[in-house]
Amino acid sequence: NAGVTQTPKFRVLKTGQSMTLLCAQDMNHEYMYWYRQDPGMGLRLIHYSVGEGTTAKGEVPDGYNVSRLKKQNFLLGLESAAPSQTSVYFCASRKTGNEKLFFGSGTQLSVL
Amino acid sequence: TQLLEQSPQFLSIQEGENLTVYCNSSSVFSSLQWYRQEPGEGPVLLVTVVTGGEVKKLKRLTFQFGDARKDSSLHITAAQPGDTGLYLCAGRELATSGTYKYIFGTGTRLKVLA
Repeated sequence: NAGVTQTPKFRVLKTGQSMTLLCAQDMNHEYMYWYRQDPGMGLRLIHYSVGEGTTAKGEVPDGYNVSRLKKQNFLLGLESAAPSQTSVYFCASRKTGNEKLFFGSGTQLSVL
Repeated sequence: TQLLEQSPQFLSIQEGENLTVYCNSSSVFSSLQWYRQEPGEGPVLLVTVVTGGEVKKLKRLTFQFGDARKDSSLHITAAQPGDTGLYLCAGRELATSGTYKYIFGTGTRLKVLA
């Protein structure tokens, strides 16, 4: 039982490049979330999903897209990376009726 | 979206001291959680409080939800080096879609010196 797995763990991009971050959970959780963490700002919600095939915008969705084609996977895409997207990205999941969020170990992204 | 402000932002204390961390909002949350995060890892849930005025204890940690459910505090008694980490509060907010989302506070970075 791996919990929540994020890949890759580290990535360096040049401005304008695109990439996809993968989040996979093996707990059959309905809800999945993408957050970014920046110094002094805690965690800010980018997008979230309440189930397979559904997504919704969080606090800071601009510049990101997401997809939830399979219940266990939640993908975060950057179509044209900008230096302002340099951050640590965390994925989390939870089960319906349970408030406990399970987090992955994060992806450190640098955009030069 | 509601905002959660935590204070202090940084705290460095000696082993054995007591400390309190605060989480404040101008709006009401239906529940509030506290997480601890260590370097290179994701946050891990410590506690969830739901009722106004609720107090929960986890060994040397005491969590309280404000009567009006707008604020919360975390008190650590006799801090130990193992308590070192980033403490985050998170409030549950009802989204326009009718589902819940979790808004995190700005964080308090605690360092306990041996």
